[in-house]
Amino acid sequence: EVQLVQSGAEVKKPGESLKISCKGSGYSFTSYWIGWVRQMPGKGLEWMGIIYPGDSDTRYSPSFQGQVTISADKSISTAYLQWSSLKASDTAMYYCARGLEGTYYFDYWGQGTLVTVSS
Amino acid sequence: EIVLTQSPATLSLSPGERATLSCGASQSVSSSYLAWYQQKPGLAPRLLIYDASSRATGIPDRFSGSGSGTDFTLTISRLEPEDFAVYYCQQYGSSPYTFGQGTKLEIK
Repeated sequence: EVQLVQSGAEVKKPGESLKISCKGSGYSFTSYWIGWVRQMPGKGLEWMGIIYPGDSDTRYSPSFQGQVTISADKSISTAYLQWSSLKASDTAMYYCARGLEGTYYFDYWGQGTLVTVSS
Repeated sequence: EIVLTQSPATLSLSPGERATLSCGASQSVSSSYLAWYQQKPGLAPRLLIYDASSRATGIPDRFSGSGSGTDFTLTISRLEPEDFAVYYCQQYGSSPYTFGQGTKLEIK
């Protein structure tokens, strides 16, 4: 069974750093893309970027380029999304999702990680 | 960047009725690389349709997708109570692989 299990909710202060994770199981982790999607409170889905764990090829939305870093450790089938300095506007639910090589729609999704940034 | 515009923003219908949701792209979506997702409150999105018209595994046949170029449609032939949710389109023909803003399908 394909599963993407994300790390738990986080509460942080502005200026702090954070790294959240997404662990894949039940499939070949290095043969599929992992994407990250933001959903701010009460809002729609925003595509942030994707990584191919097989070779670490990474693509970012211009809206998020330089604001976050996407990485993966294929030895433990885990992808990451990290911030070096959080802002209150980073408060959102973050989803990871799996994309098939050669196409980039998301067929399996993680349960989401809620990040709250507040002083 | 391709901008996707979904209409209407909210659609109010009754169970048993037919729903037609639209997704318009600011430029042509290559190879009809367009997907539709359903999201219910508190849950992650679920893939319904990919490549504009192919149903994902386990999706009932009352859901169908059509379109090409810049105009795409998701049709739900006969609404069931569990279909009331928010629906998003996504293009994956050109990075960044953007989402539309969503259509909320609510019970009338």
